[in-house]
Amino acid sequence: EDKVVQSPLSLVVHEGDTVTLNCSYEVTNFRSLLWYKQEKKAPTFLFMLTSSGIEKKSGRLSSILDKKELFSILNITATQTGDSAIYLCAVEAPARQLTFGSGTQLTVLP
Amino acid sequence: NAGVTQTPKFQVLKTGQSMTLQCAQDMNHNSMYWYRQDPGMGLRLIYYSASEGTTDKGEVPNGYNVSRLNKREFSLRLESAAPSQTSVYFCASSEKGQGAGTYEQYFGPGTRLTVT
Repeated sequence: EDKVVQSPLSLVVHEGDTVTLNCSYEVTNFRSLLWYKQEKKAPTFLFMLTSSGIEKKSGRLSSILDKKELFSILNITATQTGDSAIYLCAVEAPARQLTFGSGTQLTVLP
Repeated sequence: NAGVTQTPKFQVLKTGQSMTLQCAQDMNHNSMYWYRQDPGMGLRLIYYSASEGTTDKGEVPNGYNVSRLNKREFSLRLESAAPSQTSVYFCASSEKGQGAGTYEQYFGPGTRLTVT
């Protein structure tokens, strides 16, 4: 059975801090790993990772994948209150289904 | 361009009642999905439709049925609602990828369903 585990489950930081969110997975026939940000409603796409060691970057957010050790990290530098959200990791399985982790609830305090 | 739309936004049902959640996308995507999200459990796939005319079970299909009415619309039906189906339901769509991992799913705003 495919499995995606995220840690920590929740995190509280202050503005300006740097955070690292973790996602480990066990998936048959791995295709890709995706990160989503969920604020109040629908998850919105952040990154898709398919190759090990290649960092994807968007502003203060970056992510990298390690296919040998089966994990990914999402880094957020100089956090802002607007970064407060649930961050979801998902792994693409064959037939293009996504298996999601339970998410990390990030709270950024002013 | 509305993306993925869902109706209704909120619904309260009594145990045993039935209802249909509607989902439509205007991005000409081939694949559509229904998820439920419960606290601490992330998103779990209920059913998906890889292309028009096909539907398949996901991780938690029991108690649900789906219909891929056409390329745009994918509905989720609860025939006899149970309190365990209280959840937030998300519909999503995606284009078919080419090669490894070249697609992303776009999500609707969700339907909050309470079964009493």
